[in-house]
Amino acid sequence: AQSVTQPDIHITVSEGASLELRCNYSYGATPYLFWYVQSPGQGLQLLLKYFSGDTLVQGIKGFEAEFKRSQSSFNLRKPSVHWSDAAEYFCAVDFPGGYNKLIFGAGTRLAVHP
Amino acid sequence: GAGVSQSPRYKVAKRGQDVALRCDPISGHVSLFWYQQALGQGPEFLTYFQNEAQLDKSGLPSDRFFAERPEGSVSTLKIQRTQQEDSAVYLCASRPREDNGEQYFGPGTRLTVT
Repeated sequence: AQSVTQPDIHITVSEGASLELRCNYSYGATPYLFWYVQSPGQGLQLLLKYFSGDTLVQGIKGFEAEFKRSQSSFNLRKPSVHWSDAAEYFCAVDFPGGYNKLIFGAGTRLAVHP
Repeated sequence: GAGVSQSPRYKVAKRGQDVALRCDPISGHVSLFWYQQALGQGPEFLTYFQNEAQLDKSGLPSDRFFAERPEGSVSTLKIQRTQQEDSAVYLCASRPREDNGEQYFGPGTRLTVT
């Protein structure tokens, strides 16, 4: 079955530290890949997406993600975290042939210490 | 321009009541999705519309859930005889075209069934 795994439920980092959030998917081919952020009471905001081409993609707010086909992974990174980055982060995939609905991971809640 | 809007933002229903949740997508967007997000979980797909046609309703959890988009713009998700397990945030998303691409999410409706 198609699935998305975010192994880390909760991550805490200090402001200014680097960040990496993990995402793995289970599927035979390469899906379309997304990272969304959700702040309390807010909807989902797209950080970045990968459809094809360069496997390192740049997004908004200084985030980037790298697609690794061999590992079926799409990890999100940021070199220096700001307090305003505290939120919940969702990895999502769009498996071809499924009416392009998104399948989400369970999310990683990021806390930032001053 | 205006984003996806949803109303009401919060809804409290007594068990057994019927509720109707409204989604106003971005004007001109062909595709519309509904997702259900339980507390502490990632969003899960409920149903998909392409214009007024409901092409996928495989995610609707029971026949108490019904969605419509009669004129291909505004959509309503109706839940009959609400149960406590229906408590969740209901997210609506729209997309410009019927093919792959970014989905734009609304702020969600938080439904609490008491």
